[in-house]
Amino acid sequence: AQKVTQAQTEISVVEKEDVTLDCVYETRDTTYYLFWYKQPPSGELVFLIRRNSFDEQNEISGRYSWNFQKSTSSFNFTITASQVVDSAVYFCALRMEYGNKLVFGAGTILRVKS
Amino acid sequence: NAGVTQTPKFRVLKTGQSMTLLCAQDMNHEYMYWYRQDPGMGLRLIHYSVGEGTTAKGEVPDGYNVSRLKKQNFLLGLESAAPSQTSVYFCASSYSGQNTEAFFGQGTRLTVV
Repeated sequence: AQKVTQAQTEISVVEKEDVTLDCVYETRDTTYYLFWYKQPPSGELVFLIRRNSFDEQNEISGRYSWNFQKSTSSFNFTITASQVVDSAVYFCALRMEYGNKLVFGAGTILRVKS
Repeated sequence: NAGVTQTPKFRVLKTGQSMTLLCAQDMNHEYMYWYRQDPGMGLRLIHYSVGEGTTAKGEVPDGYNVSRLKKQNFLLGLESAAPSQTSVYFCASSYSGQNTEAFFGQGTRLTVV
């Protein structure tokens, strides 16, 4: 069975602080795909990144970076120099190679205060 | 650039009433999904479809039915609404490859009283 755990229910930081959102996944498959989505207060779900299980290279996109470690089944998301606009709910998700379902974690609420 | 469109955006139902949520996508995606979002529980998959004329159960299918008569549309039905079905419903679609992200609609906020 596949499962995604986001243990941090809510995180509050002050603007310009760095913050890391944790994501731990469970799967028996060797091929799978991981995703991060952002849900701002307006409610829509915005795709941020996709990573397949064979690509453990970390990725940086502006202030965002992702650390994928198969050894610990983690796909953590770091925001550097956080801004108020980063306030949102962030979801980590997992899809299997031969499955059609996209399974989500419970989400982490990030509050960035000015 | 419509993407995924859900109708309606808000709805209040009385217990026992029925309704249908419509999802339409214009990206020629094979896969379509219905999720519900509840506080502290993330998004849970209700039903999904891998192509026109096919549907399958997700994680929480009870109390819901779906149909995919046309590739671009995925309907979610509640035959007899219950207060436990108060939630925000999201439709999503994606290409058939596993290494593809899903695109989401703007959500439908349903309240059952």
